[in-house]
Amino acid sequence: DTAVSQTPKYLVTQMGNDKSIKCEQNLGHDTMYWYKQDSKKFLKIMFSYNNKELIINETVPNRFSPKSPDKAHLNLHINSLELGDSAVYFCASSQEGGTGELFFGEGSRLTVL
Amino acid sequence: GDSVTQMEGPVTLSEEAFLTINCTYTATGYPSLFWYVQYPGEGLQLLLKATKADDKGSNKGFEATYRKETTSFHLEKGSVQVSDSAVYFCALTRNAGNMLTFGGGTRLMVKP
Repeated sequence: DTAVSQTPKYLVTQMGNDKSIKCEQNLGHDTMYWYKQDSKKFLKIMFSYNNKELIINETVPNRFSPKSPDKAHLNLHINSLELGDSAVYFCASSQEGGTGELFFGEGSRLTVL
Repeated sequence: GDSVTQMEGPVTLSEEAFLTINCTYTATGYPSLFWYVQYPGEGLQLLLKATKADDKGSNKGFEATYRKETTSFHLEKGSVQVSDSAVYFCALTRNAGNMLTFGGGTRLMVKP
């Protein structure tokens, strides 16, 4: 039973399109995140939500819009995709007040052609 | 701001060799420190952690000691295996929303 699951695992699309990545966690955690991993494996926080409310929004183009319908889900919608958006996007979750350990999904590889 | 610096890879070792991956950090206060591992095609998994100075985290034969005087958290293993081949990430949090700040990752390749 997967703790943090993302769909789709692979996504290939054309520049200018709009796409979404979905994330669900069944750990009962309060906080969820989106991280972007570039081709050099560098990981950068994009967003953090706590109980459906945005608490961290790093410098990310406003073409990226996270949506959290409930605390178990955090989806990422990307408008007007650009070549530089190609990356692996990781969803993660953690328990508020915990030790800071994050539980990661398997990643969604986005390729923009 | 907070930052984590790791040695650049790839690190290539023969099976049963000794491993050290260096990690140093910059942060105010007393962060918690972590090592995460990413196997090919997978997400990150927590390998070990330490939450206060002089703590030693250990798991699967890997160890790291929180050294506040040198702001370091170096990862070590006495005898690596081919199955240890992965990318290793050092990270810290000051519990600001549990946001983790990651180092750049170090790829380890172990050859039989």
